Amino acid sequence: EVQLVESGGGLVQPGRSLRLSCITSGFTFDDYAMHWVRQAPGKGLEWVSGISWNNAGIRYADSVKGRFTISRDNAKKSLYLEMNSLRLEDMAVYYCAKGRGVVVRRDAFDMWGQGTMVTVSS
Amino acid sequence: QSVLTQPPSASGTPGQTVTISCSGTNSNIGSNTVKWYQQVPGTAPKLLIYRSNQRPSGVPDRFSGSKSGTSASLAISGLQSEDEADYYCAAWDDSLNGSWVFGGGTKVTVL
Repeated sequence: EVQLVESGGGLVQPGRSLRLSCITSGFTFDDYAMHWVRQAPGKGLEWVSGISWNNAGIRYADSVKGRFTISRDNAKKSLYLEMNSLRLEDMAVYYCAKGRGVVVRRDAFDMWGQGTMVTVSS
Repeated sequence: QSVLTQPPSASGTPGQTVTISCSGTNSNIGSNTVKWYQQVPGTAPKLLIYRSNQRPSGVPDRFSGSKSGTSASLAISGLQSEDEADYYCAAWDDSLNGSWVFGGGTKVTVL
């Protein structure tokens, strides 16, 4: 069974940092691109960042570029999102999602974790 | 303001067909395939359609997708109560450095 389990969310003040993790199982992790997608309370889905199977291709949404860093550890079958200079508008549920293919741009997100909530408030 | 445009709501009675539209531009839907996701409130999204009209295994054939030019649509035939959910379209956008873009979502209500 494919599983993606996010962790690391919580309450953080504006301007501070947070690191999200996504531990996976049930599939060959290093065969697929991985993504972070977020959903602000009561709002729609917003893609945040994606990373190719071999770390060679990394993309960010303009809203987080320069503040967030995506990374992966294929040996640990894990995905990470380092979030710096957090803003009020970054408050959302952050989902880890598996790509259907190896690169960021082409294929759908076919498996999703349950999400971890990031609350940004002073 | 979402890059892809969807109607905020749609509804139908059990057994009816509901169609949801998704409008984009040449840099996204016009150049790439469309994906559709279903999200029951309080749960994670689920992939319904990929490559504009392909269903993952386990997705009922009541769900079908199509694409023409810079627009796409999702049809739900034989509407059932468990289809009540939010539906999102998505596509890769080739503009600038490239990014994934979503529609704002359509809330489907089964009357």
